Amino acid sequence: GAGVSQSPRYKVAKRGQDVALRCDPISGHVSLFWYQQALGQGPEFLTYFQNEAQLDKSGLPSDRFFAERPEGSVSTLKIQRTQQEDSAVYLCASSFRDRNTEAFFGQGTRLTVV
Amino acid sequence: GENVEQHPSTLSVQEGDSAVIKCTYSDSASNYFPWYKQELGKRPQLIIDIRSNVGEKKDQRIAVTLNKTAKHFSLHITETQPEDSAVYFCASGSSASKIIFGSGTRLSIRP
Repeated sequence: GAGVSQSPRYKVAKRGQDVALRCDPISGHVSLFWYQQALGQGPEFLTYFQNEAQLDKSGLPSDRFFAERPEGSVSTLKIQRTQQEDSAVYLCASSFRDRNTEAFFGQGTRLTVV
Repeated sequence: GENVEQHPSTLSVQEGDSAVIKCTYSDSASNYFPWYKQELGKRPQLIIDIRSNVGEKKDQRIAVTLNKTAKHFSLHITETQPEDSAVYFCASGSSASKIIFGSGTRLSIRP
């Protein structure tokens, strides 16, 4: 595709509900990142994939957060039993090679937990 | 753990003047330093990046300098224009680590 695509753009979840956020990276991009951006803050690293391998998940805030990229392209970030503190914009980025090349961001999914 | 400190958090400059944003990083292994611009409600977009084998890089009105000894890097925007108003993020990364972002600088250009 022309760029990184994320869906949905907006998600309102009731506290305790499970959500799944989707990221379609740029075709051919090996690396995929998930970031969480709270209002007025910089993106906070969550996890990183190289193809289908999850090489770093040190930023996932709790075991309620789970990410996968089973075929090395589309990725899904799942949040179980959502809490109010999970409200944020979730950004996905992809890059052609490793982490030291330009990362292109998607528009993000704004999650609001009520 | 690794972190990136960014200053100032807000910056207001007169149109036509220069703006400087400074960052420090903690991970000695960092060797990649991108800068992103994020307009309200939009995705972050790369504006310039620098690798540790160079000390300075320039692209039209934008320049970045890197001091690896002091673990400092800076963004310089000259002849600022209204469209430069946005939030700017510095970041650092290495092949052995994730890319860490600073907390952002909200730049406002006064007409």
